[in-house]
Amino acid sequence: DADVTQTPRNRITKTGKRIMLECSQTKGHDRMYWYRQDPGLGLRLIYYSFDVKDINKGEISDGYSVSRQAQAKFSLSLESAIPNQTALYFCATSDFRKGEQFFGPGTRLTVL
Amino acid sequence: DAKTTQPNSMESNEEEPVHLPCNHSTISGTDYIHWYRQLPSQGPEYVIHGLTSNVNNRMASLAIAEDRKSSTLILHRATLRDAAVYYCILRDVWGGAQKLVFGQGTRLTINP
Repeated sequence: DADVTQTPRNRITKTGKRIMLECSQTKGHDRMYWYRQDPGLGLRLIYYSFDVKDINKGEISDGYSVSRQAQAKFSLSLESAIPNQTALYFCATSDFRKGEQFFGPGTRLTVL
Repeated sequence: DAKTTQPNSMESNEEEPVHLPCNHSTISGTDYIHWYRQLPSQGPEYVIHGLTSNVNNRMASLAIAEDRKSSTLILHRATLRDAAVYYCILRDVWGGAQKLVFGQGTRLTINP
């Protein structure tokens, strides 16, 4: 079984709809991250969390919100989706003692 | 965050060594050099990291210049599976969030 899972893997929605992307991990890591990737570009950080009680904005947090429901779960929400939020979204985790991040398989989101 | 510069693309042949360069002239003394790669339709995966000394692991070797202003990721014997986008990233060892700042990376093509 994968250590970092994301649901759904693909989603098509319409402008104005509320969307939630979910991430779960079995690695026991305290730190979790949400990234966005646009075609031909590298990943950009949306939000990150040190632990359940800690949430921090990344470089492109506008239009997004997150919830850390438990150590193993980190959700990303788009309250009112817009077409320029069409992208590939990745969740990642890391242990506070090490710098290596482990990425999920990604969610492809299309906003029409 | 310190910036890295990589060639947009490189091409090599199967079973030959590949040297992927990265320039980071503004690197600080507390920055680790990380390499990740992203295979087609997958999330990024960790390859290797180092601070000052050259590093080897089962995937690759990392050669770091004496002044630390450049580094080279070495794949000793490329396979078709090594075709991916390779990202060179600097991470501040004191950066509690362990944030990774991705550039555009180098797209590596392996010819059979």
